[in-house]
Amino acid sequence: KNQVEQSPQSLIILEGKNCTLQCNYTVSPFSNLRWYKQDTGRGPVSLTIMTFSENTKSNGRYTATLDADTKQSSLHITASQLSDSASYICVVSGMDSNYQLIWGAGTKLIIKP
Amino acid sequence: DAGVIQSPRHEVTEMGQEVTLRCKPISGHNSLFWYRQTMMRGLELLIYFNNNVPIDDSGMPEDRFSAKMPNASFSTLKIQPSEPRDSAVYFCASSFGRGENTIYFGEGSWLTVV
Repeated sequence: KNQVEQSPQSLIILEGKNCTLQCNYTVSPFSNLRWYKQDTGRGPVSLTIMTFSENTKSNGRYTATLDADTKQSSLHITASQLSDSASYICVVSGMDSNYQLIWGAGTKLIIKP
Repeated sequence: DAGVIQSPRHEVTEMGQEVTLRCKPISGHNSLFWYRQTMMRGLELLIYFNNNVPIDDSGMPEDRFSAKMPNASFSTLKIQPSEPRDSAVYFCASSFGRGENTIYFGEGSWLTVV
């Protein structure tokens, strides 16, 4: 069964610190992996999208890595800010149908001043 | 660019009433998605349109739900009759291509059925 699992479920860190969120997936054949940020009460916003041939992609203070062999991805946030408080969702699509996204449950990140 | 525009942002309705949610995708995008998000089930794809044609409606929960896309700049999701278990946030999203590119989400329509 195609699944996406994220860890940790929630995370609290101090402003200015770095953190890394994890994503494991079993989707096969794999097409691409996305990270979305969802603020409370808002729609998801895309951070990165990576195909199997890419192993790292950055978007400002966000850096995503992908290991297609082990089916693992991580999202690293550098120098966290209060505005980084949100849910971060890992999303995977298979080659069978690119539009059918398999959504992880998300990691709820809280940044404390 | 205004992004994906949804209306209404919030709706409270009584059980049995008809609910219509509206969406204007980003200009130039040819794929449109309707999602539902709840705490229990997360984000679920309800229906996917490509070039205004419904490609996959397997996520539509039951016959009470219907969606249309009469042209490239407008789509509706209708629930008739509404039930309390339909209470959720409904997101419209759009992208260029067939889903392989970035998918942009609207701010959602928060539906409460009492």
